[in-house]
Amino acid sequence: GAVVSQHPSRVICKSGTSVKIECRSLDFQATTMFWYRQFPKQSLMLMATSNEGSKATYEQGVEKDKFLINHASLTLSTLTVTSAHPEDSSFYICSARAGRAYNEQFFGPGTRLTVL
Amino acid sequence: DAKTTQPPSMDCAEGRAANLPCNHSTISGNEYVYWYRQIHSQGPQYIIHGLKNNETNEMASLIITEDRKSSTLILPHATLRDTAVYYCIVREVRAAGNKLTFGGGTRVLVKP
Repeated sequence: GAVVSQHPSRVICKSGTSVKIECRSLDFQATTMFWYRQFPKQSLMLMATSNEGSKATYEQGVEKDKFLINHASLTLSTLTVTSAHPEDSSFYICSARAGRAYNEQFFGPGTRLTVL
Repeated sequence: DAKTTQPPSMDCAEGRAANLPCNHSTISGNEYVYWYRQIHSQGPQYIIHGLKNNETNEMASLIITEDRKSSTLILPHATLRDTAVYYCIVREVRAAGNKLTFGGGTRVLVKP
């Protein structure tokens, strides 16, 4: 299957700082990318959906000013956690889909964020 | 999208077939059944999907009942590396708003 990478794989930051996570589709062009968050022993929760070149659509309860998403190219999306706090510590996972009607959605390996 | 119900956990013996059930009684005619799995601290991995017919690939088989209200994922010869959380998801394939919603999944432990 297609490969999606994330960088960094782990990040530790101080409370109040901002953290950027990159998601790349390595061997295909991703018209749509998704960002999920997963707390320990819980399922994945969709945070937002982004289409290349347009604004992201956020799920209910997700603060768009806190979780900034940019999908400037067909192979790169970024998630910036602004003014991070300890409650933002989580496993952040991106996924990418090649086309609007394409069935398969490929996931990145995840980024473990720890906010001290 | 229709909701799915899966057992929270199950054990399986190494080398034996693992049969993972999923109920999706409110599935509609244009919704597909997808299976993903997540090994600890990794991103989900696509396994298989289907609409009406049974499907098979190199990883697994998917058996969908005739009324489409339930399905079973079959791992034919489970290995220790198959230990993971398995998610059954139903999703409508349409141009907009096409997204995967994860439920609780089944935590599968393959034992030697």
